[in-house]
Parts: sequence; structure tokens; C-alpha cells
Amino acid sequence: RKEVEQDPGPFNVPEGATVAFNCTYSNSASQSFFWYRQDCRKEPKLLMSVYSSGNEDGRFTAQLNRASQYISLLIRDSKLSDSATYLCVVNYYSGGYQKVTFGTGTKLQVIP
Amino acid sequence: DVKVTQSSRYLVKRTGEKVFLECVQDMDHENMFWYRQDPGLGLRLIYFSYDVKMKEKGDIPEGYSVSREKKERFSLILESASTNQTSMYLCASSPGGSSLHFGNGTRLTVT
Repeated sequence: RKEVEQDPGPFNVPEGATVAFNCTYSNSASQSFFWYRQDCRKEPKLLMSVYSSGNEDGRFTAQLNRASQYISLLIRDSKLSDSATYLCVVNYYSGGYQKVTFGTGTKLQVIP
Repeated sequence: DVKVTQSSRYLVKRTGEKVFLECVQDMDHENMFWYRQDPGLGLRLIYFSYDVKMKEKGDIPEGYSVSREKKERFSLILESASTNQTSMYLCASSPGGSSLHFGNGTRLTVT
């Protein structure tokens, strides 16, 4: 089983739609969680951290469910510019240093 | 703003050549990482370093080595490049326990 799993998509949604992605992780000792966005042929960039209580940044909402070991990203009122691949990232500490694991990403295509 | 700079955006090398990929960060971060990214496989960790002169193997270290002589610089070395090392290489840094900041990548082609 992969440490971090995501549905690769693609998710094709019309402008204005609400779309949600999930990401499951296998290590219950994982401590911090992030969503990154990656545009085609570009480097990943941090979209938002994911906090235990859930957090919102404009049209984006991230949630963490430790009991079921998944994180989610909700995008409301999708824009064409939201088209990208969304990567979930899970951190834990092992042997005194940070271990960072990326999911393979979920591709989102917002269509006019 | 954190800046992570990779020395080359595109690189073409021949099979068997020794290849150096350089990465420099300007924010005094302890941790630095090298990933490769291939379609359908996502980002895979090659090596990381949590301090000067320290290095740890990631998930796919075979055929690679690294060097961290100064805190701001983390070099990836392909000892003898092979065609299956054609890939996008991404360097990242972080201050520890926090999110990663990526360079803009080096697209390496080995012919």
C-alpha cells in the first residue's frame, strides 16, 4: 500500500462548480499535512497547510480526519485558473528528521 | 520570499557522463531535498540532507549521490548517467517540520 494515495483524476468540472479531493495516508504517526498546487511543467507550490480543526482560505477549504487517516481539499466556485494538479503532502518525523511524502496528485480541469 | 535556485533549467547529457545538478537556497533552511518527477509516478525522493555534511537516502537513491558542503548548497550527482535517469529533477528546502519550497526544476535528458 502506498504511504499517500490520491485519485489521479482527471476531474473535469464546469466553471463555478464545487469540487472535492481526498487523500489517504497510511502512517498514523503523521504530524503535518499540506496541499500543493502544480501547474503544467512548473514546480509545486504550497497552496495551504491542513490543520486539525479544518481551515479555509478564500474558496479553498482543507480538512483533516485523523481517525480515518485522510485529508481533503474543497474548491468552491471553480475558476479556469484553478486548472492544475493538486498534490497532498504528509510529514512525519523518523530518526530525528523530517520525512516528507507526496501523493501522485489529482488533476483538475475546469472547463468554460 | 524564499528563493531556491537550480543551476540549469534544461540539460542534455550523454549516457555514461557524470552529471552535476546544483541547488542553492537563500533562507538558511536546515533541510534540503532532491526529487525526481515522472508521469504517473509523482514525486519520488532521491536524497535529503538535514544539516551540512549530512545526507540520508530517500526512496530511490541508486545511481545518485549528493554533497552538502555548505548549508545553502545541495548538489545531486549522477555518477554515470543512463537513459532511465531522464526526468524532471526538483530541489526543495524547508526549515524543518514545515512546508517545502521548490526550485523551478531541471529537465534532464540523457541520450
